[in-house]
Amino acid sequence: AQRVTQPEKLLSVFKGAPVELKCNYSYSGSPELFWYVQYSRQRLQLLLRHISRESIKGFTADLNKGETSFHLKKPFAQEEDSAMYYCALSPFGYKYIFGTGTRLKVLA
Amino acid sequence: DVKVTQSSRYLVKRTGEKVFLECVQDMDHENMFWYRQDPGLGLRLIYFSYDVKMKEKGDIPEGYSVSREKKERFSLILESASTNQTSMYLCASSLGLSPGTSGGNEQFFGPGTRLTVL
Repeated sequence: AQRVTQPEKLLSVFKGAPVELKCNYSYSGSPELFWYVQYSRQRLQLLLRHISRESIKGFTADLNKGETSFHLKKPFAQEEDSAMYYCALSPFGYKYIFGTGTRLKVLA
Repeated sequence: DVKVTQSSRYLVKRTGEKVFLECVQDMDHENMFWYRQDPGLGLRLIYFSYDVKMKEKGDIPEGYSVSREKKERFSLILESASTNQTSMYLCASSLGLSPGTSGGNEQFFGPGTRLTVL
């Protein structure tokens, strides 16, 4: 079955520390993977997608097909990174499968 | 800028009431989606529509129905609201894909409707 797993409900880090939000997926084909972010009182929005291979707001994510992972990383966390992060898989067509989300808290 | 708007930010209804949640997008997107967002459960797809009058069930369609009479508008209907339908409801839209294209396009989300059923 297609599934996205985000093992951490809450991740707290200090400002300036590295951040890694974990995402594992199960899908036998070639997936398209995304990270979405929801800041406080804002709507859910796309942060990045693996096909773009770009860095957004200092975040990067590499697709590791061997480990079926798509972890989100940032070398130095900032307080404004505090938000809810969702990993999503789009195995085909236009449907998404979302993970359960990880709340990131960056402490001053 | 894609704008996805939802008719209400907060809604309080009583058990057994019929509830309508409206979503409008202004970017001529083919696909529209309704999700519910619950703590610890993430986003779960209720229904989606890939064209006017076309719809498909998502993962949790029970107790819900949808209507898409115009391309820009997608309505979620709770025929008889129950307390377990208390949740945040998110609408989203995306461009249609060319045939044979794998994967998904970016989804653009509305601000959400927090529904409380008493």
